[in-house]
Amino acid sequence: AQKVTQAQTEISVVEKEDVTLDCVYETRDTTYYLFWYKQPPSGELVFLIRRNSFDEQNEISGRYSWNFQKSTSSFNFTITASQVVDSAVYFCARPPTDSWGKLQFGAGTQVVVTP
Amino acid sequence: DTAVSQTPKYLVTQMGNDKSIKCEQNLGHDTMYWYKQDSKKFLKIMFSYNNKELIINETVPNRFSPKSPDKAHLNLHINSLELGDSAVYFCASSTGTGGSQPQHFGDGTRLSIL
Repeated sequence: AQKVTQAQTEISVVEKEDVTLDCVYETRDTTYYLFWYKQPPSGELVFLIRRNSFDEQNEISGRYSWNFQKSTSSFNFTITASQVVDSAVYFCARPPTDSWGKLQFGAGTQVVVTP
Repeated sequence: DTAVSQTPKYLVTQMGNDKSIKCEQNLGHDTMYWYKQDSKKFLKIMFSYNNKELIINETVPNRFSPKSPDKAHLNLHINSLELGDSAVYFCASSTGTGGSQPQHFGDGTRLSIL
């Protein structure tokens, strides 16, 4: 199976620090999509971003930014000037080529932001 | 105006019982999914339906039976509940059957088996 690996289990930061979440994926494909989701303590899963393999530009949305590096098969996520509300589990995911409809999730990274 | 709604939010029941979880989406999507999240937060797909047709059926015990009466609804029925079924079950929906579109998730149903 083409895995999605989030090696960091938990990251703890103090408010206003930056935090970067790593995501490394396996692929044999030239066309693929990658996603990030957020799961706050309340439990819902919130879609954050989609990236396709053809678009190598980094993306910024407010305090969130994503760094896509095809050469290293990584799609990292940075929260700048973290806030307590950023405390959540963050998941990286991609649909495997042999079954596009299903999302294969990484194990998730728990981010804890303390005041 | 909730996009993907699941009921109930919490379900506490005894081993051996049969229970159902309902899911409805008002996004106009044609594909719906069920995922299971275990106690370690690991998310795994169970089923997917496109326009009421089953398109993904992972290795799930046949005690789990999805039903899609129309493309806006996907229910999950579980027979003879076991302790290992305790988990959070998420419904999701998307446009199309491919992996290019984001899936939008409901708030989850926390199932606890006593």
